[in-house]
Amino acid sequence: NAGVTQTPKFQVLKTGQSMTLQCAQDMNHNSMYWYRQDPGMGLRLIYYSASEGTTDKGEVPNGYNVSRLNKREFSLRLESAAPSQTSVYFCASSEPTGIYGYTFGSGTRLTVV
Amino acid sequence: AQKVTQAQTEISVVEKEDVTLDCVYETRDTTYYLFWYKQPPSGELVFLIRRNSFDEQNEISGRYSWNFQKSTSSFNFTITASQVVDSAVYFCALRDENTGNQFYFGTGTSLTVIP
Repeated sequence: NAGVTQTPKFQVLKTGQSMTLQCAQDMNHNSMYWYRQDPGMGLRLIYYSASEGTTDKGEVPNGYNVSRLNKREFSLRLESAAPSQTSVYFCASSEPTGIYGYTFGSGTRLTVV
Repeated sequence: AQKVTQAQTEISVVEKEDVTLDCVYETRDTTYYLFWYKQPPSGELVFLIRRNSFDEQNEISGRYSWNFQKSTSSFNFTITASQVVDSAVYFCALRDENTGNQFYFGTGTSLTVIP
């Protein structure tokens, strides 16, 4: 099925460990996004990529890096995980203007202990 | 200041009751887009509706209806004859010219429909 695929679905890290969350879309969308969802705070934008080769910071970029590997793939890296990064992470994609809404992946539940 | 406010954190209704989820937004742009997403207990985010600022017609889709009022900066969502399957977290979101193609999401309203 066409859509946005995120891996892994669940992950437990120890403080200080690193990991990369993978995201791939087959919607032929130019724009991709990483959000985190925390209780009572809705979804907050971490980083986005308006097109292949470009990335920009969102509302909460500290502690994260991203790579737009090609048009399909947009990865999120935690270099040194902290308990404050325990969250549910969503990848999304959209056509360039975003006016038709996002297509979201199924989410990654990350716990940092 | 929050661009999108969903003041109702949690709502519980008994099955078959009607329920309205409120969404108030803030923007200075004349062109903007509003969205509702549903997040069922399984966790995925499901697109429900998009409305642009030039179209104030209310929309009905089965048991779902949306009331867009620019005068009060509101985009409320009503579920008629609620069902247990409607239990979910519902998010309202805004895309305006200032945010480019980014969205601002509200904090969500958790709806529980009691059988």
